[in-house]
Amino acid sequence: GAVVSQHPSWVICKSGTSVKIECRSLDFQATTMFWYRQFPKQSLMLMATSNEGSKATYEQGVEKDKFLINHASLTLSTLTVTSAHPEDSSFYICSATSDWGYTFGSGTRLTVV
Amino acid sequence: TQLLEQSPQFLSIQEGENLTVYCNSSSVFSSLQWYRQEPGEGPVLLVTVVTGGEVKKLKRLTFQFGDARKDSSLHITAAQPGDTGLYLCAGGRDSNYQLIWGAGTKLIIKP
Repeated sequence: GAVVSQHPSWVICKSGTSVKIECRSLDFQATTMFWYRQFPKQSLMLMATSNEGSKATYEQGVEKDKFLINHASLTLSTLTVTSAHPEDSSFYICSATSDWGYTFGSGTRLTVV
Repeated sequence: TQLLEQSPQFLSIQEGENLTVYCNSSSVFSSLQWYRQEPGEGPVLLVTVVTGGEVKKLKRLTFQFGDARKDSSLHITAAQPGDTGLYLCAGGRDSNYQLIWGAGTKLIIKP
C-alpha cells in the first residue's frame, strides 16, 4: 500500500519564526497532495491543493503568503508557516492520492508560543 | 457549495451497545469514504463505497451507501472500547481529487 511520511510529528516555535513541514510519498509518486488543518475535535479543513511543478491552489480564506507550499518533486511537498503566531497553532495533515486512494500523513502538531 | 452533514457530532455509549453514524448531502458523490482518526494521528481509511445501495462489512462495522449516492451510514454492532475515536466521512467527485468532509463524530465507548 501507499505510505505518506510527514515530519515533524510535533514542533514548538516562537512567535514570528517560520516552520517547515514535510510530506513525502515513500513508495509511490504523488502528483497531487493536499494540506489540511484540523482544530481539536473538528473535521479536516482543506487549506490547499498542491500539484507537482505548479503553484498550489489555495482555499478561500487561506493566506498563500503565510502558508507557503512547494511541491518540487513527485514525492515531496512542503508547507512552510511563515511568521507564525499563536493562532496558527493547530494540527496540520497532508494527504496524497495514489492508485490506492487517499493516503494521509500522521500529522504535525504545531504550537506557537 | 457541497456540504456533507454528519451526525451525531458526539456519542458516548456503553460497551456492547449498537450505534449508527450518518452522513447526508443534497449532492451526489462518486464515492464515499469513512475514516477513523486517533488523537494526534492522521485519518485512517476504513472503507470506500462507490455504488448506490452498496453495503460493505468490516467485522462489526457495516457501511452503506444510499441508492442515490447522496448519503451513507456507519453502523457498529456491539461496540467495544477500542472503537473509540473520531469517525469522519468524506465524499469524492470524479471531476477532481478533492474530498468533501463531514464534521466528524467523536465516539466514546465506555467499558
